[in-house]
Amino acid sequence: NAGVTQTPKFQVLKTGQSMTLQCAQDMNHNSMYWYRQDPGMGLRLIYYSASEGTTDKGEVPNGYNVSRLNKREFSLRLESAAPSQTSVYFCASSERGRTDTQYFGPGTRLTVL
Amino acid sequence: QKEVEQDPGPLSVPEGAIVSLNCTYSNSAFQYFMWYRQYSRKGPELLMYTYSSGNKEDGRFTAQVDKSSKYISLFIRDSQPSDSATYLCAGPSQGTYKYIFGTGTRLKVLA
Repeated sequence: NAGVTQTPKFQVLKTGQSMTLQCAQDMNHNSMYWYRQDPGMGLRLIYYSASEGTTDKGEVPNGYNVSRLNKREFSLRLESAAPSQTSVYFCASSERGRTDTQYFGPGTRLTVL
Repeated sequence: QKEVEQDPGPLSVPEGAIVSLNCTYSNSAFQYFMWYRQYSRKGPELLMYTYSSGNKEDGRFTAQVDKSSKYISLFIRDSQPSDSATYLCAGPSQGTYKYIFGTGTRLKVLA
């Protein structure tokens, strides 16, 4: 049982390049999330998917797109990377339930030059 | 005012000390709270959750909520160097799947 997995672990991009961050969970969770974590800013929600087939914007969606490919997978795409998108990106998932605990992946460290 | 606020630290304590980590929140609609622990270069992992009243104990950890002052605390007894990490508090927005996270408090337990 791997929980939440993310690829890649590290990535360096040049300004204007595009890339997709991949996330998968094997816990049969309904909801999935993408966060970014920056020093002094904490975890900020980019996009989330309450269930398969639905996605919604979070706190900081500009410059990102997402795809909920199926129940297991939720990808985050940067169409034209900017230095302001240098961050650590975390994917999380939760079972739709009363406590709705979120389980996080190990993160992707992205640097945009 | 942020919905959840934490002192970023770092907080340094000697091994064996009792540690108190605190958050304040502004949204009275929060009904329960989570404490996450995040080791350096790792993802956050759930430590405890507690509903918006009273205490919850789990081993060396106790979570406490004071609704009247909108204050959340995490106490660590007999702290160990392995407790050195960043601790984040979080409250879920009512009726949604969104969590509001504090910025985290960095704790160092010195051997």
